[in-house]
Amino acid sequence: EVQLVESGGGLVQPGGSLRLSCAASGFTFSSYWMSWVRQAPGKGLEWVANIKQDGSEKYYVDSVKGRFTISRDNAKNSLYLQMNSLRAEDTAVYYCAREFGSWYAQYFQHWGQGTLVTVSS
Amino acid sequence: AIWMTQSPSLLSASTGDRVTISCRMSQGISSYLAWYQQKPGKAPELLIYAASTLQSGVPSRFSGSGSGTDFTLTISCLQSEDFATYYCQQYYSFPRTFGQGTKVEIK
Repeated sequence: EVQLVESGGGLVQPGGSLRLSCAASGFTFSSYWMSWVRQAPGKGLEWVANIKQDGSEKYYVDSVKGRFTISRDNAKNSLYLQMNSLRAEDTAVYYCAREFGSWYAQYFQHWGQGTLVTVSS
Repeated sequence: AIWMTQSPSLLSASTGDRVTISCRMSQGISSYLAWYQQKPGKAPELLIYAASTLQSGVPSRFSGSGSGTDFTLTISCLQSEDFATYYCQQYYSFPRTFGQGTKVEIK
């Protein structure tokens, strides 16, 4: 059974940093693209970033470019999101998602339960 | 970025109804469209990919259609467990984008 378990969320002040983790199990982690998707309270879904199987390619939504960094450790079956220069508008539940599809056409096949990040003074 | 217009934003329906949700793209995306269901406090779940292919385990009352710029999610006979919020999502290009969501509520 595919399992994705996020951790690392919490309360952080504006301008601060946080590192999210996603522990994957039940599948061959190194064979899949992985993504982070977020959802602000009471709002819709927003894709944040994704990373290729070997970490050689990464893509970001414009609003986080230069502030967030996605990475992975295939030996540890783990996905990460380093978030710097956090803003109030980054407040959201952050979901880790396993992608599936062909080449670069990948949808979100499995999701974790999410971790809440609150940016507030 | 590809903009998506999902409608309606709120849909009031009764158990047994047939409901349709629309998703329109700002440019053509072939069939690179997925639909997700999200219940309160839960993560989204994949319902349909490639515009019309049902994810394993999803009931057959769900169906998807369309290609290019116009897509539709249909629930043929609404069940109590289907009251939720539904999102379309394109995976044709970066950034990946979602529709604004359609909340299906009990009439």
